[in-house]
Amino acid sequence: EAQVTQNPRYLITVTGKKLTVTCSQNMNHEYMSWYRQDPGLGLRQIYYSMNVEVTDKGDVPEGYKVSRKEKRNFPLILESPSPNQTSLYFCASRHNYGYTFGSGTRLTVV
Amino acid sequence: QKEVEQDPGPLSVPEGAIVSLNCTYSNSAFQYFMWYRQYSRKGPELLMYTYSSGNKEDGRFTAQVDKSSKYISLFIRDSQPSDSATYLCAMNTGFQKLVFGTGTRLLVSP
Repeated sequence: EAQVTQNPRYLITVTGKKLTVTCSQNMNHEYMSWYRQDPGLGLRQIYYSMNVEVTDKGDVPEGYKVSRKEKRNFPLILESPSPNQTSLYFCASRHNYGYTFGSGTRLTVV
Repeated sequence: QKEVEQDPGPLSVPEGAIVSLNCTYSNSAFQYFMWYRQYSRKGPELLMYTYSSGNKEDGRFTAQVDKSSKYISLFIRDSQPSDSATYLCAMNTGFQKLVFGTGTRLLVSP
């Protein structure tokens, strides 16, 4: 089954404690992206990757890092999380007719 | 002004009603238009995809694009309680990132 898998689904952490949200796709897509979804603001792109070792900033990249060492994986790294990064995060990979999204990671930073 | 505007709702209708969901946009370069459906605690899933102006029908769903007015619509005929979800419009110019509306929450009551 074609899918994008994110882990963990839920995460509560403390300010400043580094964390990584993993994302993996099994569709051999070149383009992958991270979004955060907040009430009233919708989905906003954090980072995207056109291919292995090619990444670029989206609209809200501050406080985030990504890496793309292999085509299937695109982890999102928060080096020093802050409460304003509490949000619902989605990883997505792009095909010809749109994006396939993961099930989301609900992150709470206290 | 946001690039894509969408009424957040909620929109409440009885089962069997025809539903009309709408988005307006400001970037005349947008050519690809999508509708995503997002159930609670799930990632968005692609529902409809259209290129340029015109109508596209898929079962009970019809997507309509009016580029002259910068206005897109999604119609749902014979709405069902299982259609209760948040509907997100999205669009882009081609290979650039998708720009999403904030979503309209739809509630279909039995």
